[in-house]
Amino acid sequence: ETGVTQTPRHLVMGMTNKKSLKCEQHLGHNAMYWYKQSAKKPLELMFVYNFKEQTENNSVPSRFSPECPNSSHLFLHLHTLQPEDSALYLCASSPFSEGGTTGELFFGEGSRLTVL
Amino acid sequence: GQNIDQPTEMTATEGAIVQINCTYQTSGFNGLFWYQQHAGEAPTFLSYNVLDGLEEKGRFSSFLSRSKGYSYLLLKELQMKDSASYLCAVRDSNYQLIWGAGTKLIIKP
Repeated sequence: ETGVTQTPRHLVMGMTNKKSLKCEQHLGHNAMYWYKQSAKKPLELMFVYNFKEQTENNSVPSRFSPECPNSSHLFLHLHTLQPEDSALYLCASSPFSEGGTTGELFFGEGSRLTVL
Repeated sequence: GQNIDQPTEMTATEGAIVQINCTYQTSGFNGLFWYQQHAGEAPTFLSYNVLDGLEEKGRFSSFLSRSKGYSYLLLKELQMKDSASYLCAVRDSNYQLIWGAGTKLIIKP
């Protein structure tokens, strides 16, 4: 138990569906992240939120839309995805986004997404 | 460009010692992290190095040489539960984490 909870753990969707991934952290952190993890590839940072404000968007296609209503919750809205978007989507939180302490990330167990 | 290299897969025997190497080329350096990820689970923090030298934490140790752009994770007295992927990540001058693709460690009895 890392203190970061992601739902659903598994999701299968068609290319025309709309779905959302949810992340909740119980650690009192003020930074939250979405990462994409594909087999045998480095983690890809998608979005960063600091104090509910988006501070990073790494050229992610608009079919991925993040939402951060408060510092404990983070969503990733999915729409018109492509089969190559199939991957493990990891949410993480940390006390700081940059500088400060070690900047250790606390990850959720991920949402395994399959796009048909 | 920025790059982190680590072996794709390693195999070791229960009770033995294994060293997982990580070399990096990044725009600046503000620390190096090792994470462990069991299959189907969240990556969890193992170690952090910002100064040269060896950091020991129980059976696990992590070494850093900034001049060589090199780190290794040393696992002693291997146990079956150490079978996992080990991720190396470097924080660059913009405090962005640059990740390696991970090393899958297989422990055999």
